[in-house]
Amino acid sequence: EAQVTQNPRYLITVTGKKLTVTCSQNMNHEYMSWYRQDPGLGLRQIYYSMNVEVTDKGDVPEGYKVSRKEKRNFPLILESPSPNQTSLYFCASSYGLEGSEQFFGPGTRLTVL
Amino acid sequence: GQNIDQPTEMTATEGAIVQINCTYQTSGFNGLFWYQQHAGEAPTFLSYNVLDGLEEKGRFSSFLSRSKGYSYLLLKELQMKDSASYLCAVVDSNYQLIWGAGTKLIIKP
Repeated sequence: EAQVTQNPRYLITVTGKKLTVTCSQNMNHEYMSWYRQDPGLGLRQIYYSMNVEVTDKGDVPEGYKVSRKEKRNFPLILESPSPNQTSLYFCASSYGLEGSEQFFGPGTRLTVL
Repeated sequence: GQNIDQPTEMTATEGAIVQINCTYQTSGFNGLFWYQQHAGEAPTFLSYNVLDGLEEKGRFSSFLSRSKGYSYLLLKELQMKDSASYLCAVVDSNYQLIWGAGTKLIIKP
């Protein structure tokens, strides 16, 4: 089954404790991205990757890191999480952007205390 | 700056028709998407428009006017399961996706 998986789905952590949210897709997609979604603000892009070893900042990259060592995986790293990073996070992938449907993972609800 | 405007919330009756508008001001244009998102779930693709005009797909249709920076999503024969948020997103000249905040659609029996 074609899908984007994220883990964990839910996470409660404390300020400063490094964490990684994994994202994997099995559709051989070139393009992958991370979003956060907060009430009233819609989806905001954190980072995106056009291909392996190519990553770029989105609209809200501060406090986050990513890597794209393999085509299928695009982990999101929070080196020192803070309470303002409490949010719902989505990973997405597509063949490209122009006309390509983005497939979203199920989401990770993160709470930073 | 880049901006996409959608109504925050709309209410409609089961069986009726509703039109959700989206206006955009972006640096360039390379297409517009509509996604549906049920509460607590991931967005799912509904439509993509890059040329002016109406694209029909079953009960859902999407319209685009590039000269006016305007699109709408038309939902016919509304069902209770259509209660969701509807997200408009534009691909700009740098092939970045710019998202609207979404329109929450409430369907009443």
